[in-house]
Amino acid sequence: DGGITQSPKYLFRKEGQNVTLSCEQNLNHDAMYWYRQDPGQGLRLIYYSQIVNDFQKGDIAEGYSVSREKKESFPLTVTSAQKNPTAFYLCASSIRTGSDYGYTFGSGTRLTVV
Amino acid sequence: AQTVTQSQPEMSVQEAETVTLSCTYDTSESDYYLFWYKQPPSRQMILVIRQEAYKQQNATENRFSVNFQKAAKSFSLKISDSQLGDAAMYFCAYRSRGAQKLVFGQGTRLTINP
Repeated sequence: DGGITQSPKYLFRKEGQNVTLSCEQNLNHDAMYWYRQDPGQGLRLIYYSQIVNDFQKGDIAEGYSVSREKKESFPLTVTSAQKNPTAFYLCASSIRTGSDYGYTFGSGTRLTVV
Repeated sequence: AQTVTQSQPEMSVQEAETVTLSCTYDTSESDYYLFWYKQPPSRQMILVIRQEAYKQQNATENRFSVNFQKAAKSFSLKISDSQLGDAAMYFCAYRSRGAQKLVFGQGTRLTINP
């Protein structure tokens, strides 16, 4: 079945460490997105990518980095510069940017700083 | 910038009854899309229904329907014959035609009472 796979499901990070969240899709979608979800704030866009080797900052990109070396993969690195990284992270894809079909979402990664 | 507001943080309804979730949005665009997403306890985001702004007819998907009032910038979701499986967070989302990102509301937590 086609879909988006996020791993790991739970991730613990020590202060000062960088961690990378994986997102893989086999839907042949062009566009991919990373959102952060916090209680009472809905979903906020971190980064998005329309094509391979290209990506743009979203609304809350500070402290995060991404790469898009393959169409299927869009990993997110949470760096030590991110002051409050504990959150639920959702990866999504769409057939193309501006598509009216909405997004397909992964099942998320819960990141906790310990 | 576009914003989406869900004024009801929590709602509850008796099983088999009807419930309406509210959503308002702010935009200067005339061509856009609106979506309702469901996030059950598994945290997987699921598209419930979508509406194209240029269509006056309200979208319907089985027990789910919307009341789209373009002039009032209102997009409410009606769930008929509520079932226990409808219990979830519901997010309203907006996307301009040609835009890269979805803008989400804060979410409404729906509880179904047996």
